[in-house]
Amino acid sequence: NAGVTQTPKFQVLKTGQSMTLQCAQDMNHNSMYWYRQDPGMGLRLIYYSASEGTTDKGEVPNGYNVSRLNKREFSLRLESAAPSQTSVYFCASSSNALIGHGYTFGSGTRLTVV
Amino acid sequence: AQSVTQLDSQVPVFEEAPVELRCNYSSSVSVYLFWYVQYPNQGLQLLLKYLSGSTLVKGINGFEAEFNKSQTSFHLRKPSVHISDTAEYFCAVRRMNRDDKIIFGKGTRLHILP
Repeated sequence: NAGVTQTPKFQVLKTGQSMTLQCAQDMNHNSMYWYRQDPGMGLRLIYYSASEGTTDKGEVPNGYNVSRLNKREFSLRLESAAPSQTSVYFCASSSNALIGHGYTFGSGTRLTVV
Repeated sequence: AQSVTQLDSQVPVFEEAPVELRCNYSSSVSVYLFWYVQYPNQGLQLLLKYLSGSTLVKGINGFEAEFNKSQTSFHLRKPSVHISDTAEYFCAVRRMNRDDKIIFGKGTRLHILP
Protein backbone atom coordinates (compact mmCIF):
# COMPACT_ATOMS: atom_id res chain seq x y z
CA ASN A 1 0.00 0.00 0.00
CA ALA A 2 1.33 3.40 -0.96
CA GLY A 3 -0.86 5.26 1.58
CA VAL A 4 -0.55 9.03 1.08
CA THR A 5 1.80 10.20 -1.66
CA GLN A 6 3.03 13.78 -1.89
CA THR A 7 4.93 15.35 -4.75
CA PRO A 8 7.37 16.97 -5.01
CA LYS A 9 9.50 16.19 -1.95
CA PHE A 10 11.56 19.36 -2.28
CA GLN A 11 11.01 22.63 -4.11
CA VAL A 12 12.69 26.02 -4.28
CA LEU A 13 10.64 28.91 -5.61
CA LYS A 14 11.36 32.55 -6.25
CA THR A 15 9.08 35.11 -4.65
CA GLY A 16 6.02 35.58 -6.83
CA GLN A 17 6.20 32.23 -8.57
CA SER A 18 3.31 29.81 -8.41
CA MET A 19 3.22 26.07 -7.86
CA THR A 20 0.91 23.23 -6.95
CA LEU A 21 1.63 20.60 -4.34
CA GLN A 22 0.07 17.29 -5.18
CA CYS A 23 -1.39 14.74 -2.76
CA ALA A 24 -3.00 11.40 -3.52
CA GLN A 25 -4.26 8.60 -1.27
CA ASP A 26 -5.18 5.06 -2.20
CA MET A 27 -7.10 4.07 0.95
CA ASN A 28 -10.56 5.26 -0.14
CA HIS A 29 -10.55 7.88 2.63
CA ASN A 30 -13.25 10.54 2.69
CA SER A 31 -11.35 13.38 4.31
CA MET A 32 -8.10 15.00 3.29
CA TYR A 33 -6.07 17.77 4.91
CA TRP A 34 -3.17 20.11 4.24
CA TYR A 35 -0.96 21.23 7.13
CA ARG A 36 2.17 23.31 7.33
CA GLN A 37 4.85 22.70 9.92
CA ASP A 38 7.13 25.45 11.17
CA PRO A 39 9.65 25.30 14.04
CA GLY A 40 7.97 25.89 17.39
CA MET A 41 4.53 26.22 15.79
CA GLY A 42 3.53 22.59 15.50
CA LEU A 43 1.17 21.67 12.68
CA ARG A 44 -1.24 24.28 11.46
CA LEU A 45 -4.20 23.39 9.28
CA ILE A 46 -4.35 25.24 5.97
CA TYR A 47 -7.37 23.67 4.28
CA TYR A 48 -9.32 20.47 4.51
CA SER A 49 -11.87 18.53 2.51
CA ALA A 50 -14.46 16.40 4.28
CA SER A 51 -15.61 14.80 1.04
CA GLU A 52 -15.20 15.00 -2.69
CA GLY A 53 -16.41 18.37 -3.92
CA THR A 54 -16.14 20.19 -0.59
CA THR A 55 -13.32 22.24 0.88
CA ASP A 56 -13.04 24.37 4.00
CA LYS A 57 -10.55 26.84 5.40
CA GLY A 58 -8.40 25.91 8.33
CA GLU A 59 -6.34 28.02 10.66
CA VAL A 60 -3.96 29.60 8.10
CA PRO A 61 -5.58 29.65 4.62
CA ASN A 62 -4.34 33.02 3.35
CA GLY A 63 -2.15 32.76 0.26
CA TYR A 64 -3.32 29.25 -0.59
CA ASN A 65 -6.01 27.59 -2.66
CA VAL A 66 -7.03 23.95 -2.80
CA SER A 67 -8.80 21.61 -5.16
CA ARG A 68 -10.34 18.24 -4.35
CA LEU A 69 -10.07 16.82 -7.83
CA ASN A 70 -11.67 13.50 -6.95
CA LYS A 71 -11.81 11.25 -3.92
CA ARG A 72 -8.13 10.34 -4.24
CA GLU A 73 -6.50 13.69 -4.91
CA PHE A 74 -6.26 16.95 -2.99
CA SER A 75 -3.92 19.63 -4.30
CA LEU A 76 -2.60 22.79 -2.67
CA ARG A 77 -1.76 25.81 -4.83
CA LEU A 78 0.40 28.80 -4.05
CA GLU A 79 -0.54 31.50 -6.55
CA SER A 80 2.21 33.97 -5.67
CA ALA A 81 4.76 32.50 -3.31
CA ALA A 82 6.15 34.58 -0.46
CA PRO A 83 9.13 33.89 1.84
CA SER A 84 6.65 33.45 4.72
CA GLN A 85 5.41 30.34 2.97
CA THR A 86 8.75 28.62 3.41
CA SER A 87 7.74 25.56 5.38
CA VAL A 88 7.26 21.81 5.35
CA TYR A 89 3.84 20.87 4.01
CA PHE A 90 2.06 17.68 4.98
CA CYS A 91 -0.98 16.10 3.44
CA ALA A 92 -3.09 13.69 5.50
CA SER A 93 -6.22 11.64 5.05
CA SER A 94 -8.77 9.90 7.24
CA SER A 95 -11.85 7.74 6.93
CA ASN A 96 -15.24 8.46 8.48
CA ALA A 97 -15.59 4.72 8.97
CA LEU A 98 -12.36 4.54 10.97
CA ILE A 99 -12.39 7.74 12.99
CA GLY A 100 -10.39 6.23 15.81
CA HIS A 101 -7.54 5.49 13.45
CA GLY A 102 -6.60 9.14 13.18
CA TYR A 103 -4.75 10.39 10.13
CA THR A 104 -2.40 8.80 7.66
CA PHE A 105 0.27 11.33 6.71
CA GLY A 106 2.34 11.78 3.60
CA SER A 107 6.09 12.19 3.87
CA GLY A 108 5.97 15.94 3.31
CA THR A 109 7.11 18.59 0.85
CA ARG A 110 9.91 20.91 1.93
CA LEU A 111 9.33 24.27 0.24
CA THR A 112 11.77 27.16 0.25
CA VAL A 113 10.76 30.55 -1.14
CA VAL A 114 13.68 32.89 -1.84
CA ALA B 1 -13.53 23.75 20.50
CA GLN B 2 -10.61 21.60 21.50
CA SER B 3 -7.06 22.58 22.36
CA VAL B 4 -3.87 20.76 23.26
CA THR B 5 -0.98 21.97 25.38
CA GLN B 6 2.34 20.21 25.42
CA LEU B 7 4.07 21.54 28.46
CA ASP B 8 7.67 21.09 27.32
CA SER B 9 9.03 22.15 23.95
CA GLN B 10 12.24 20.16 24.49
CA VAL B 11 13.15 17.32 26.83
CA PRO B 12 16.74 16.12 27.21
CA VAL B 13 17.21 12.71 28.79
CA PHE B 14 20.10 10.29 29.13
CA GLU B 15 20.02 7.04 27.24
CA GLU B 16 18.39 4.21 29.22
CA ALA B 17 16.71 6.69 31.58
CA PRO B 18 12.92 6.96 31.85
CA VAL B 19 11.05 9.82 30.19
CA GLU B 20 7.65 11.45 30.46
CA LEU B 21 6.28 13.86 27.87
CA ARG B 22 3.37 15.86 29.19
CA CYS B 23 0.15 16.68 27.41
CA ASN B 24 -2.98 18.43 28.62
CA TYR B 25 -6.10 19.00 26.58
CA SER B 26 -9.26 21.03 26.75
CA SER B 27 -12.59 20.02 25.27
CA SER B 28 -16.29 20.44 26.04
CA VAL B 29 -17.08 17.11 24.36
CA SER B 30 -15.63 13.63 24.53
CA VAL B 31 -12.49 13.15 22.50
CA TYR B 32 -10.10 10.57 21.17
CA LEU B 33 -6.47 11.15 22.11
CA PHE B 34 -3.38 10.42 20.04
CA TRP B 35 0.37 10.60 20.21
CA TYR B 36 2.24 10.90 16.91
CA VAL B 37 6.01 10.66 16.41
CA GLN B 38 8.07 12.40 13.76
CA TYR B 39 11.60 11.12 13.20
CA PRO B 40 14.09 13.53 11.61
CA ASN B 41 13.16 14.45 8.04
CA GLN B 42 10.14 12.16 8.00
CA GLY B 43 6.36 12.46 8.20
CA LEU B 44 4.27 11.77 11.27
CA GLN B 45 3.28 8.28 12.29
CA LEU B 46 0.86 7.12 14.94
CA LEU B 47 2.52 6.03 18.18
CA LEU B 48 -0.58 5.18 20.20
CA LYS B 49 -4.16 6.23 20.78
CA TYR B 50 -6.87 6.26 23.43
CA LEU B 51 -10.41 5.61 22.24
CA SER B 52 -12.15 4.16 25.30
CA GLY B 53 -11.78 1.51 27.99
CA SER B 54 -8.54 1.00 29.89
CA THR B 55 -6.87 4.31 30.63
CA LEU B 56 -3.39 2.88 30.11
CA VAL B 57 -2.62 2.38 26.45
CA LYS B 58 0.47 0.81 24.96
CA GLY B 59 1.99 1.80 21.65
CA ILE B 60 4.91 0.96 19.43
CA ASN B 61 8.55 0.99 20.52
CA GLY B 62 7.78 0.49 24.22
CA PHE B 63 5.86 3.72 24.72
CA GLU B 64 2.70 3.95 26.80
CA ALA B 65 0.33 6.72 27.81
CA GLU B 66 -2.22 7.18 30.54
CA PHE B 67 -5.51 8.97 30.08
CA ASN B 68 -6.59 10.95 33.12
CA LYS B 69 -10.04 12.42 32.61
CA SER B 70 -10.14 14.42 35.84
CA GLN B 71 -6.84 16.12 35.04
CA THR B 72 -7.53 16.22 31.28
CA SER B 73 -4.08 14.79 30.66
CA PHE B 74 -2.58 12.18 28.38
CA HIS B 75 1.09 11.90 29.30
CA LEU B 76 3.46 9.73 27.30
CA ARG B 77 6.04 7.57 29.06
CA LYS B 78 8.84 5.16 28.32
CA PRO B 79 10.78 3.37 31.07
CA SER B 80 14.11 3.31 29.22
CA VAL B 81 14.87 5.41 26.16
CA HIS B 82 17.21 4.58 23.32
CA ILE B 83 19.10 6.86 20.97
CA SER B 84 16.66 5.82 18.24
CA ASP B 85 13.85 7.55 20.16
CA THR B 86 15.25 10.92 19.16
CA ALA B 87 12.28 12.56 17.49
CA GLU B 88 9.53 15.11 17.89
CA TYR B 89 6.36 13.93 19.58
CA PHE B 90 2.93 15.42 19.03
CA CYS B 91 -0.11 15.02 21.25
CA ALA B 92 -3.46 15.39 19.47
CA VAL B 93 -7.22 15.25 20.07
CA ARG B 94 -10.22 14.57 17.90
CA ARG B 95 -13.91 14.80 18.67
CA MET B 96 -15.35 11.38 19.35
CA ASN B 97 -17.51 9.80 16.66
CA ARG B 98 -16.85 12.59 14.20
CA ASP B 99 -14.63 12.50 11.11
CA ASP B 100 -13.40 15.91 12.10
CA LYS B 101 -10.05 17.59 11.95
CA ILE B 102 -7.45 16.60 14.53
CA ILE B 103 -6.04 19.31 16.77
CA PHE B 104 -2.31 19.01 17.41
CA GLY B 105 -0.11 20.33 20.16
CA LYS B 106 3.03 22.25 19.25
CA GLY B 107 5.27 19.24 19.79
CA THR B 108 7.99 18.12 22.21
CA ARG B 109 11.46 17.46 20.90
CA LEU B 110 13.08 14.53 22.70
CA HIS B 111 16.87 14.70 22.86
CA ILE B 112 18.64 11.53 23.92
CA LEU B 113 22.00 12.18 25.56
CA PRO B 114 24.72 9.51 25.39
